Amino acid sequence: DAGVTQSPTHLIKTRGQQVTLRCSPKSGHDTVSWYQQALGQGPQFIFQYYEEEERQRGNFPDRFSGHQFPNYSSELNVNALLLGDSALYLCASSSGPTSGAQYFGPGTRLLVL
Amino acid sequence: DAKTTQPTSMDCAEGRAANLPCNHSTISGNEYVYWYRQIHSQGPQYIIHGLKNNETNEMASLIITEDRKSSTLILPHATLRDTAVYYCIVRVSGNTGKLIFGQGTTLQVKP
Repeated sequence: DAGVTQSPTHLIKTRGQQVTLRCSPKSGHDTVSWYQQALGQGPQFIFQYYEEEERQRGNFPDRFSGHQFPNYSSELNVNALLLGDSALYLCASSSGPTSGAQYFGPGTRLLVL
Repeated sequence: DAKTTQPTSMDCAEGRAANLPCNHSTISGNEYVYWYRQIHSQGPQYIIHGLKNNETNEMASLIITEDRKSSTLILPHATLRDTAVYYCIVRVSGNTGKLIFGQGTTLQVKP
């Protein structure tokens, strides 16, 4: 049973560029949440997708957007990258949008130069 | 969601029980206590959650005080692989999927 997978594992971009990160949820899960984790900090909630719609959003600007596909996989897009966007981006899947038991992927490490 | 307070770091000898405390004095009656851990360079891992009764699974035990203002996560026989940051999270079940992570406790298991 495959767990949550994310791609790519690492990424280097320059300021102003755009990036797309991908996530496949654990088998049987229909909800995907995205988190940003800066070095030395706990993960911060970006948004959650369920039934192909954004259900809840954290305190992140509109430069951060996402999408969920019919197979429940998801993408996180970040436009106009800033140096401060450098972080580990984590995807978590769950069964339903209100579950507190979420299963995290290994993350994508983004470095913005 | 109620705020939680955890010690910044703790040590534990390998093979001994690791007891990680969490204070959540403003917890509401419908808020659950969740524990996650994050091993270095990995995503967080769900461990256990509970409302007011003690809970146990294959990974750990969760002890919640009767007044629910604090809880303790117990790893009965800590191994070196249990070295990680442990997060205590309080949230209302059935309300939102958002998890609010604090700074957590860095547990160092020593041989």
